[in-house]
Amino acid sequence: AQSVTQPDIHITVSEGASLELRCNYSYGATPYLFWYVQSPGQGLQLLLKYFSGDTLVQGIKGFEAEFKRSQSSFNLRKPSVHWSDAAEYFCAVGPYSGYSTLTFGKGTMLLVSP
Amino acid sequence: GAGVSQSPSNKVTEKGKDVELRCDPISGHTALYWYRQRLGQGLEFLIYFQGNSAPDKSGLPSDRFSAERTGESVSTLTIQRTQQEDSAVYLCASSSRQGEGSTEAFFGQGTRLTVV
Repeated sequence: AQSVTQPDIHITVSEGASLELRCNYSYGATPYLFWYVQSPGQGLQLLLKYFSGDTLVQGIKGFEAEFKRSQSSFNLRKPSVHWSDAAEYFCAVGPYSGYSTLTFGKGTMLLVSP
Repeated sequence: GAGVSQSPSNKVTEKGKDVELRCDPISGHTALYWYRQRLGQGLEFLIYFQGNSAPDKSGLPSDRFSAERTGESVSTLTIQRTQQEDSAVYLCASSSRQGEGSTEAFFGQGTRLTVV
């Protein structure tokens, strides 16, 4: 069965500092990988996705993520965090082909300190 | 419509009553998902529809929960004899066919269910 682990429940970063949110997945085939953001009272918005090709993918709002097959990881990064980035971030995995659901991690809450 | 639409946006119900939540997916999207998000928690998978295939119901927490979808259109999630622990935001998402092109899921704004 596919699964996603986000080991950090909460992370606090100073505004302007760099950010890395960890995501590890378990999946028996080539995965599709996603990062979503959920701001307070808002729905989920897709930040970026990885399907194939270049393992470093760029997303919206200055975010990027790197797919590392050997580590089964898809960590999210941002070089300089803004206060508006405070939100909950979810990593998700889905199948490259076939018929299966999209599985989410439990999320990482990002707090930004002044 | 332009996005995934869910109704109602908020629902308060008495314990023991049945509720029905509705999801209108993006036109042409064959896959439809229901998730539950309890306060301060992550997304809990409930059920997944893909075209005319049999749905994946493995995430439904009890037989009080059921969902229907006709073809590639509207889906309804029904909770019978609601309990207080059913209080949560119920999220619906849709995506295009997996394995070909984009499979990102587009989410609705959710239905906030409160059982009193």
